[in-house]
Amino acid sequence: GESVGLHLPTLSVQEGDNSIINCAYSNSASDYFIWYKQESGKGPQFIIDIRSNMDKRQGQRVTVLLNKTVKHLSLQIAATQPGDSAVYFCAEKGKSGNTPLVFGKGTRLSVIA
Amino acid sequence: EPEVTQTPSHQVTQMGQEVILRCVPISNHLYFYWYRQILGQKVEFLVSFYNNEISEKSEIFDDQFSVERPDGSNFTLKIRSTKLEDSAMYFCASSGQGYNEQFFGPGTRLTVL
Repeated sequence: GESVGLHLPTLSVQEGDNSIINCAYSNSASDYFIWYKQESGKGPQFIIDIRSNMDKRQGQRVTVLLNKTVKHLSLQIAATQPGDSAVYFCAEKGKSGNTPLVFGKGTRLSVIA
Repeated sequence: EPEVTQTPSHQVTQMGQEVILRCVPISNHLYFYWYRQILGQKVEFLVSFYNNEISEKSEIFDDQFSVERPDGSNFTLKIRSTKLEDSAMYFCASSGQGYNEQFFGPGTRLTVL
């Protein structure tokens, strides 16, 4: 079956450095991609999204890059802060409004103060 | 800011017992979802619900599971006869019409003994 996966299970960065979290997806029909942040004991929290007709989208301190040629998604966090420590999931879905999200396995980001 | 709420935060039950997990989606949302996350694993889709009926369900969502929207605010997930492998975090999510972003609740941790 098709799935969304992550290259690295853990990532440790120094406070103030930039973080890059990667994700590979295999469903070429996916139209919409989202990054979620999950802190311990909490539900997934939306960070940023991107549609398949874009290759880059920026938010506050975060940037998502989409490379459809190689089916790769990345999340860049600028000036990483201790509060960014969490598990980050990429997720993808099809075009229909209520199709389910397919989540990747997750990457744990640890910020070293 | 509107949010999805879930009760209880933690449910402990004996194998074979029925449990009902409750969710209050964001008030103007029309699409509702249940996901689960076994400890240390990725978030998995269970079921989506729209216009008072199931839109889509995964292989996990077998005859032991059911969903209901008993009134204008609550959305419930029932497991008729719990198994040990049902132990997980269960997340409710909702999204508005025409929007893809799904907002997640804080989850209910179900422990089956």
